[in-house]
Amino acid sequence: GAVVSQHPSRVICKSGTSVKIECRSLDFQATTMFWYRQFPKQSLMLMATSNEGSKATYEQGVEKDKFLINHASLTLSTLTVTSAHPEDSSFYICSASRAGGGTGELFFGEGSRLTVL
Amino acid sequence: DAKTTQPPSMDCAEGRAANLPCNHSTISGNEYVYWYRQIHSQGPQYIIHGLKNNETNEMASLIITEDRKSSTLILPHATLRDTAVYYCIVRAREDSSYKLIFGSGTRLLVRP
Repeated sequence: GAVVSQHPSRVICKSGTSVKIECRSLDFQATTMFWYRQFPKQSLMLMATSNEGSKATYEQGVEKDKFLINHASLTLSTLTVTSAHPEDSSFYICSASRAGGGTGELFFGEGSRLTVL
Repeated sequence: DAKTTQPPSMDCAEGRAANLPCNHSTISGNEYVYWYRQIHSQGPQYIIHGLKNNETNEMASLIITEDRKSSTLILPHATLRDTAVYYCIVRAREDSSYKLIFGSGTRLLVRP
């Protein structure tokens, strides 16, 4: 099956610093990638949709200046949490859509756990 | 996209069938039913999806009622590795470039 890789899997940072999380589709081209956030014992919350070569579309209530998304190639999207605070500590998960849309199956990364001290 | 309602938790014995219900009474005619699962601290995994007809693959079967207002995911012989949160999602298009909105899901515990 298709593989989506996230890096880093875990990151700890100090409050006020920025953290970048990478999402790569390893064996297919992904025209669209999605970023989700998940707090403990809660469901996944969609943050934004990123299309290759264009600006990301953010869900209501998600600050685009705080969560910078770049989708510069068909295999890589990055999420940068700027000026991180403890309340940004969460599990961040990306998913990728295979070019052409297919049958609607999304492939998810293994997630990146961010802890802000 | 239509909302779904799932029981918060269920359990079943290892080796038995696990039947996970989902209510989607406001589903419209062109909306698909998708099932994903998430094992603890991992990314979600696609299981199966359907529109009107029942579907089966190597992981599970999906039974959709004739009025399409509810569906059941069946894991025919549950194993301990099937312990996970199962999400039933209704989506307007059979297109992976269209966003997937997760509800609260059902936490399935498979007992030894």
